Amino acid sequence: DIQMTQSPSSLSASVGDSVTITCRSSQTITSYLNWYQQKPGKAPKFLIYAASNLQSGVPSRFSGSGSGTDFTLTITGLQPGDFATYFCQQSYTPPYTFGQGTKVEIK
Amino acid sequence: QVQLQESDPGLVKPSQTLSLTCTVSGASISSGGYYWSWIRQHPGKGLEWIGYIYYSGNTYYNPSLKSRLTISQDTSKNQFSLNLSSVTAADTAVYYCARGTADFGNAIDFWGQGTLVTVSS
Repeated sequence: DIQMTQSPSSLSASVGDSVTITCRSSQTITSYLNWYQQKPGKAPKFLIYAASNLQSGVPSRFSGSGSGTDFTLTITGLQPGDFATYFCQQSYTPPYTFGQGTKVEIK
Repeated sequence: QVQLQESDPGLVKPSQTLSLTCTVSGASISSGGYYWSWIRQHPGKGLEWIGYIYYSGNTYYNPSLKSRLTISQDTSKNQFSLNLSSVTAADTAVYYCARGTADFGNAIDFWGQGTLVTVSS
C-alpha cells in the first residue's frame, strides 16, 4: 500500500491567518492527490482533486499544489468554518489510502 | 443532487457478519465512470479504504480485509452492499458509503452520512 503522511498532525491558528498542510506519499502518485475537510460527527467534504483542482463551490481561499510525492494544501485567510480536520488521499493505486489527518484548531 | 444513505445495523456480535447496504439516489450505480465505495473510520482515528464495486460489477478489496469481505450490488434497487464476516471489536467504526469519480481522478465526490457499527457481545 502507498503510505500517506501528513504534517503537522495539528496546528493552532487565528481567523485571518494563512496555514499550510503538507502531505507526502511513500511513492510517486503523479497528481492523484485529493483533499477533504471533516468536521466532528460529519462525513468528509470533498475540496480538491488532482492536487490542485478545486471542487465546484469550494472557496478560492483553498489551494493545493504539488506532484510526485510532495503536496500542500494552503488556506489563505482562515474563516471560522475552516476549523476542522483535513485529510489527503491518494487515488493513484488502490487501496486509495488517506493521510492521518491534520486538525486545524482555533488559537 | 447525489445522495447516499447507509443502513443502520447498530450492534453486531463478535464472530458474526456485518451487513450494510447503501441506497443511492440522484445517480445510477449502473452508469460508467463511477465506483461505489466503502470507507470506515475508527473512533477518533483516520479513514480506511475498505473497497469498491464498479458499475460493471468488478470489485476491489483492501488486502487487509479481503479474506472477510464481500461487496455486491443490486442495480434494480440502486443499492450496493458490504458484508464483513467474523467481526471483532477492531471492526467497530463509522462506516461510510461513497462515490468515486473517474473525472475527478478517482476522488470521492459524494459521501453518505456514515453509520456507527459497534461490535460487542
